[in-house]
Amino acid sequence: QKEVEQDPGPLSVPEGAIVSLNCTYSNSAFQYFMWYRQYSRKGPELLMYTYSSGNKEDGRFTAQVDKSSKYISLFIRDSQPSDSATYLCAMSANSQGAQKLVFGQGTRLTINP
Amino acid sequence: AAGVIQSPRHLIKEKRETATLKCYPISRHDTVYWYQQGPGQDPQFLISFYEKMQSDKGSIPDRFSAQQFSDYHSELNMSSLELGDSALYFCASSYKPTGVDTQYFGPGTRLTVL
Repeated sequence: QKEVEQDPGPLSVPEGAIVSLNCTYSNSAFQYFMWYRQYSRKGPELLMYTYSSGNKEDGRFTAQVDKSSKYISLFIRDSQPSDSATYLCAMSANSQGAQKLVFGQGTRLTINP
Repeated sequence: AAGVIQSPRHLIKEKRETATLKCYPISRHDTVYWYQQGPGQDPQFLISFYEKMQSDKGSIPDRFSAQQFSDYHSELNMSSLELGDSALYFCASSYKPTGVDTQYFGPGTRLTVL
């Protein structure tokens, strides 16, 4: 079983819809939670970063972390065709030095005009 | 500000050949990570360096080695290449002065082994 589980989709929604993307994880040592957006054949682009539990909002994007349930979410409001991409959740533990990211499988999202 | 730079962007090699991938982190970033992403898969951690010392090691084959230099750039050396090594190789960098470790990814090097 993977440490981080993410529904790979694909997910297809009409323009303007609210999109909900989710990940679950098993490692309670994870403290940092990130969402990356990846366009085809490009590097992952950091969208949102959250430390521990709580919510964080940035424009049309809201990230939620529920550590008690080991569950994180990314909400996209007023979705646009340019939001079409693969969304990867990623997590890391808290310690000195470098901490590797553990990724979910990624959810392929298509926003239809 | 300039992002993470990786070179080359594309590389084609034959089986059993060697390859060297280079990564130039964002200015002031002292930590470098290497990830491998196979087709349709999520990035898998290979190795990381913090202040020029190896920090963590993941599923990196013994045929691969890496190092970080005094200017913080890093190189991933791959020998005896196999067909299964064909993948996108990403480098990420971060700066962790207060314990926050947000990684920024480069555009990747696409390695094709024939």
